[in-house]
Formats: sequence, structure tokens, C-alpha cells
Amino acid sequence: DAGITQSPRHKVTETGTPVTLRCHQTENHRYMYWYRQDPGHGLRLIHYSYGVKDTDKGEVSDGYSVSRSKTEDFLLTLESATSSQTSVYFCAIAMYSGGTYNEQFFGPGTRLTVL
Amino acid sequence: ELKVEQNPLFLSMQEGKNYTIYCNYSTTSDRLYWYRQDPGKSLESLFVLLSNGAVKQEGRLMASLDTKARLSTLHITAAVHDLSATYFCAVDPWEGNQFYFGTGTSLTVIP
Repeated sequence: DAGITQSPRHKVTETGTPVTLRCHQTENHRYMYWYRQDPGHGLRLIHYSYGVKDTDKGEVSDGYSVSRSKTEDFLLTLESATSSQTSVYFCAIAMYSGGTYNEQFFGPGTRLTVL
Repeated sequence: ELKVEQNPLFLSMQEGKNYTIYCNYSTTSDRLYWYRQDPGKSLESLFVLLSNGAVKQEGRLMASLDTKARLSTLHITAAVHDLSATYFCAVDPWEGNQFYFGTGTSLTVIP
């Protein structure tokens, strides 16, 4: 499982409240990612990080921010949650092999419901 | 806009039969990945295809990549119930680790 954990695993919150999801990895991987999964859309990249304090936007970054102050932790924040952010959120890491980063491994996911 | 299209979206097949899932993508990419997801679970890596003509096989599943046609196939041989899951393909066109996923193919194998 590439040593990835996510917390919380389930969360129900109300519209307008801030929410932070945590991704923790134990194997010192450089690249980390946040995706959301919705029916009919597969997985879509929200933000990713290529090192401590180095992050970039993905395909669906509006309404989300991230932070990475330590190699092992990548935080996803919804500053003011909306119902459209109800989703399952997956964290992933990229494995380095053969001189390049390629295969991604995923955490267990966080199911977020915004009422 | 980069598109990754899988078909079929839903597939119901009998045990013992063969079938192919297709993954088409709209931009050049030498890297394609296949994942499996069971209901309520995370994604499990199945195949990593990193060049034109790459073919990988694991058990009853075989994946191939044709980068010129921008097409990957996942072939299922003699399906068994345990293969029931949703299968996703993903491309990484700029080798910057920004994966783009297809919408998934939900496979049900009927005994």
C-alpha cells in the first residue's frame, strides 16, 4: 500500500465550514497528489506536490488549497466547503524507478459529504 | 482539452467468455496505466505501459499500448467472477506525473 494513510476516512460537514484532509506517507516519496472521484468522471487531479513547499494546480483546483510543510504530510483544505465538493478524495504518491517517476499508488480514500 | 475515453462504460459478461476494454486518449502519451477498483475501495495498480507496443499480462488480463493510435486495450480471457470490478486507464502525457483518468469500465462477471 506504499505506506499511505488518509485521515479522516469519513467526514460529514456543513456548507461554508472549512475542512482539512490529511495524507501521510512513511516512505519519503517526493511526489504526492490529491484526486477527487465522482461518478461519471473517473478521478480528477486537484493539486500535486513535488517536494516540501512545492505544489501546483491540477485539473480541478478551484475551491481547494494544499500545503506540504513536511515530506510525509500533504494537506488538502476546503476553505469554505460547498455541496459540489461532496466526493471521495484520494491521495497518491509516485514511485520512482528506472530513472523516472511513473506508477502512482493510492491511499484508502476519504469520503466527504457536504450538507 | 485532454480526453481519456473508455468503452464500454458498463460490461456484463458470463464466466468463461473473452472481452476487451478500450481506452482512447486525445493527446500524445507514451505512458499508460491500468487500475482496478473494487466497490468502496482504493485503486490497485494492474499494469504500467511505458512505450509503443508494450504488452503486459497477469493471469487472465492482458494490456497493450499503441501510442500511434492513442489506444490501449485490456483483454480479459475466460472471465471469472473475481474479476468483477471497475477498471480505469490513465495517461501521463507530459511525463510530469499529472495523470488523466478515463471514466472507468464497470465489469460484472456473471456465473
